[in-house]
Amino acid sequence: DTAVSQTPKYLVTQMGNDKSIKCEQNLGHDTMYWYKQDSKKFLKIMFSYNNKELIINETVPNRFSPKSPDKAHLNLHINSLELGDSAVYFCASSQLPTGSGNTIYFGEGSWLTVV
Amino acid sequence: DQQVKQNSPSLSVQEGRISILNCDYTNSMFDYFLWYKKYPAEGPTFLISISSIKDKNEDGRFTVFLNKSAKHLSLHIVPSQPGDSAVYFCAASAINSGYALNFGKGTSLLVTP
Repeated sequence: DTAVSQTPKYLVTQMGNDKSIKCEQNLGHDTMYWYKQDSKKFLKIMFSYNNKELIINETVPNRFSPKSPDKAHLNLHINSLELGDSAVYFCASSQLPTGSGNTIYFGEGSWLTVV
Repeated sequence: DQQVKQNSPSLSVQEGRISILNCDYTNSMFDYFLWYKKYPAEGPTFLISISSIKDKNEDGRFTVFLNKSAKHLSLHIVPSQPGDSAVYFCAASAINSGYALNFGKGTSLLVTP
């Protein structure tokens, strides 16, 4: 069984559309994250949730809205998609949000292409 | 502002030899460092980590060295195997950033038979 699973894996959509990427982890972790890997291959944190509460919110346009219905799920909704949103989005989870020794486990990624 | 840097985008090593991947960081608050391995079309997978209280951590063929004064860490793979061919990401975290991982751009390692 996949520990961190995200859907869809590939998504091609037009500018202006609204889309969601879903993520689920079966590791029993308390903390979940969304990372973005852009065209320059930089992998950057977007959001972090601990027990359904937002704890990290980097400088991300408010068109991006994470939703955590429970601690095993963290979905990413994107409104009014722009060409620059094209990237690979990785969901991840870890046991704790703080403390040394925090290993983060990643999903396989969702390839978003905005045309 | 890129706080974790991997200045070598690619590295080619012959099977059986040592692979050395380097990473530099600028934030002196980083106290936990990790290496992730990534195959195409897959997410990064955790490989090995080191706390700032140590200068070396070993796990099988993989050893990570940390030089805090130089703000430098390296990953050694001995002996290198063709299955090690992947992109390796260095990552660092600090308590004042909620332990979110800051990644380097990655080094693509190719191990040739």
